[in-house]
Amino acid sequence: QVQLQESGPGLVKSSETLSLTCAVFGYSITSGYYWAWIRQPPGKGLEWLGSIYHTGNTFYNPSLTSRVTMSVDTSKYEFSLSLTSATAADTAVYYCARQRSGNHLFDFWGQGTLVTVSS
Amino acid sequence: QTVVTQEPSLSVSPGGTVTLTCDLSSGSVSISHYPSWYQQAPGQAPRTLIYSTNSRSSGVPDRFSGSILGNKAALTITGAQADDECDYYCVLYLGRGISVFGGGTKLTVL
Repeated sequence: QVQLQESGPGLVKSSETLSLTCAVFGYSITSGYYWAWIRQPPGKGLEWLGSIYHTGNTFYNPSLTSRVTMSVDTSKYEFSLSLTSATAADTAVYYCARQRSGNHLFDFWGQGTLVTVSS
Repeated sequence: QTVVTQEPSLSVSPGGTVTLTCDLSSGSVSISHYPSWYQQAPGQAPRTLIYSTNSRSSGVPDRFSGSILGNKAALTITGAQADDECDYYCVLYLGRGISVFGGGTKLTVL
């Protein structure tokens, strides 16, 4: 069974960089899927942030392209998110998920981690 | 910027049928957008329901079905149950690696 686990600081200061890591268990990170980040501000809807393939090929939400970077470490079976110049609007639960390459389904999700951006 | 729109809220009686829709600001939704649907209970991560318009994910009961209705993607729940009272999100694939979530529908069963 695929399991994903997000980790990272729960509190980030405004204007600093928000960084999170997702560890993948029970499945090879190099086996033909994309790996995605999705977030959900408190009381609001879901927003796709971007996806990365194990080769490092990335796709980002056009509204965040200038601030977001994703990377993958195949030796550690994990992938990461970096969001620069954080503001209060970036306060959200951040989910990592596995995304199928054919039909683009987010089929397995982490439990999510709350990141609060404070001034 | 492309926007995906869902009904903000809907209600259904226990045992009743309800259809949620997913609209694309740039035009009609088609199977090439690979519509998918997710159910989110309060405080929980989303759960996959439907992918590729009308395929059910493993373990999803057949009272959940997906389709294209007119120019929108649709999720129909038949025989609604109390634990169907959740938020529902659609996702459309726009091509070039870009996916967009709809704003979500809060479903009330009463």
